Amino acid sequence: KAGVTQTPRYLIKTRGQQVTLSCSPISGHRSVSWYQQTPGQGLQFLFEYFSETQRNKGNFPGRFSGRQFSNSRSEMNVSTLELGDSALYLCASSLTGNTQYFGPGTRLTVL
Amino acid sequence: GQQLNQSPQSMFIQEGEDVSMNCTSSSIFNTWLWYKQDPGEGPVLLIALYKAGELTSNGRLTAQFGITRKDSFLNISASIPSDVGIYFCAGPSGGSNYKLTFGKGTLLTVNP
Repeated sequence: KAGVTQTPRYLIKTRGQQVTLSCSPISGHRSVSWYQQTPGQGLQFLFEYFSETQRNKGNFPGRFSGRQFSNSRSEMNVSTLELGDSALYLCASSLTGNTQYFGPGTRLTVL
Repeated sequence: GQQLNQSPQSMFIQEGEDVSMNCTSSSIFNTWLWYKQDPGEGPVLLIALYKAGELTSNGRLTAQFGITRKDSFLNISASIPSDVGIYFCAGPSGGSNYKLTFGKGTLLTVNP
């Protein structure tokens, strides 16, 4: 079974721009979660989608949003990028909840 | 919110040595997960623990779910160079199994 895939792997943007990241979960997994990883804050939960609905949300500003499509693929969007948004963005999929399987991540650099 | 305190922050060992790291919390967790992350990659699930007192092995890795449900341990036996990486503990928090809280990680370096 193919693992979680994320595109693009690397992205460079400038402040004020917006960005969209994509995630394809493991086949059959309907839950997709997003995490931000930075050296200072570590891995932090952004949000989780299931059957096209956001079920859980972390403590991030409204500039961070996401959606899920009927095929369980998910996208996250960050608007009005700030320097502090530079991070590795990780997507994870899950079948039953407790155990989540991560993709390779998208490395976002904001200049 | 719930926090996970992971120690040690880093370890430098010789190939062949055994390694032990742990994770503690002030809150009860119903699941403990251990992940390993290589540079530039996403975390890979190593072991999942679902029951207090549970001891689970995956090859040279052994993890235990503390009986108080507030801690967990990961042991690596006979370390090899490819064990190098960052090891994270994690558990569901905020009342949802789908929202994981992570420790800050233990950076393991293995000297050949």
